[in-house]
Amino acid sequence: EPEVTQTPSHQVTQMGQEVILRCVPISNHLYFYWYRQILGQKVEFLVSFYNNEISEKSEIFDDQFSVERPDGSNFTLKIRSTKLEDSAMYFCAGIIEQGSEKLFFGSGTQLSVL
Amino acid sequence: GESVGLHLPTLSVQEGDNSIINCAYSNSASDYFIWYKQESGKGPQFIIDIRSNMDKRQGQRVTVLLNKTVKHLSLQIAATQPGDSAVYFCAETGNDYKLSFGAGTTVTVRA
Repeated sequence: EPEVTQTPSHQVTQMGQEVILRCVPISNHLYFYWYRQILGQKVEFLVSFYNNEISEKSEIFDDQFSVERPDGSNFTLKIRSTKLEDSAMYFCAGIIEQGSEKLFFGSGTQLSVL
Repeated sequence: GESVGLHLPTLSVQEGDNSIINCAYSNSASDYFIWYKQESGKGPQFIIDIRSNMDKRQGQRVTVLLNKTVKHLSLQIAATQPGDSAVYFCAETGNDYKLSFGAGTTVTVRA
């Protein structure tokens, strides 16, 4: 299975602080995604990214969230001012096949907001 | 509204038996479905997918069945093994390249 690498694996932060979660997708990934999973709940869509811009975002993805692909490889999710309810596992995912919706997920970053 | 859900949150199965995990969806426009397996502390791992123009697809020890009439999807695992213990999610999408996940079924394999 194509590998998607996420760093860090765990991130602990204080409420109100900014965090940046990083993802290194396969170089030929076409679409990039961020999903999150609150403990014990289902995986929720946050945002999709195509051609260096956001193609769709969910209502969860408010003004506190932003995504970038600054250097053409790393794909980042920034949360400007974290809240307690942002505590979750955040997954990066990508599509590598043109015309396919098959997503390959990274191993996730566990974000804990204290 | 649109939703993807599973019938049962947990399933306990004897090692060697077959497992059936069910999923219902509500979006008639969904045309692509995936089953993912998630082990503790890991990301969802692709198992098998199926398009809406098919009603059955087989992989290695797994079979996905799709019934579009009743909007039902199932995953069958043959000869369940201890390594099959995990949370299983169904997910669906239309043509928007955005997967919507169900709530997950936790499968526990008894030795």
